[in-house]
Amino acid sequence: GESVGLHLPTLSVQEGDNSIINCAYSNSASDYFIWYKQESGKGPQFIIDIRSNMDKRQGQRVTVLLNKTVKHLSLQIAATQPGDSAVYFCAETFTGTASKLTFGTGTRLQVTL
Amino acid sequence: GAVVSQHPSWVICKSGTSVKIECRSLDFQATTMFWYRQFPKQSLMLMATSNEGSKATYEQGVEKDKFLINHASLTLSTLTVTSAHPEDSSFYICSARPAGEKLFFGSGTQLSVL
Repeated sequence: GESVGLHLPTLSVQEGDNSIINCAYSNSASDYFIWYKQESGKGPQFIIDIRSNMDKRQGQRVTVLLNKTVKHLSLQIAATQPGDSAVYFCAETFTGTASKLTFGTGTRLQVTL
Repeated sequence: GAVVSQHPSWVICKSGTSVKIECRSLDFQATTMFWYRQFPKQSLMLMATSNEGSKATYEQGVEKDKFLINHASLTLSTLTVTSAHPEDSSFYICSARPAGEKLFFGSGTQLSVL
């Protein structure tokens, strides 16, 4: 959806615990969703994606869940590590728009030792 | 994987001057590139879609005469911020997608206008 607000919500997690980052998307026509990780001063880095014909997809230490009924995405990170500390954005697109992404507001993940 | 290179990484300029930012696809051809802007602690907002050999498509509210985009080749798009002012200070990021693959982002350009 559109980005609003003047600050990012923060999720603080202890090293080794699992993290769950949530995202609400706005366009019911969106059929492709991506999670990105952004470290300070850098561009977004692809983590995992999912198409609307799926409700779950797993990668290495990460899982994305999609609930189209309530237009909700989540990113689960298993055994969170200090290197996972970053801002995480979900992004949505309708594949007919040739990669034109709409980004969510973002969540800062802080991993404590 | 594919690489999108952006230059410069950061630039400081005086108010009223123009600044050019380059975005290159290093190992693939990109007929379309995307330019985003990101203010501190906020999300990425799409500014415009750069089309090789034709005019860029700007998002609502983005001034095309202020943010000039040129996509003269299949590997290079440039964004020129004309007559920059302090409110243009932001992190500018480009992206491109090789055919059949996911979108890749450049490393971003931090613009500070004094």
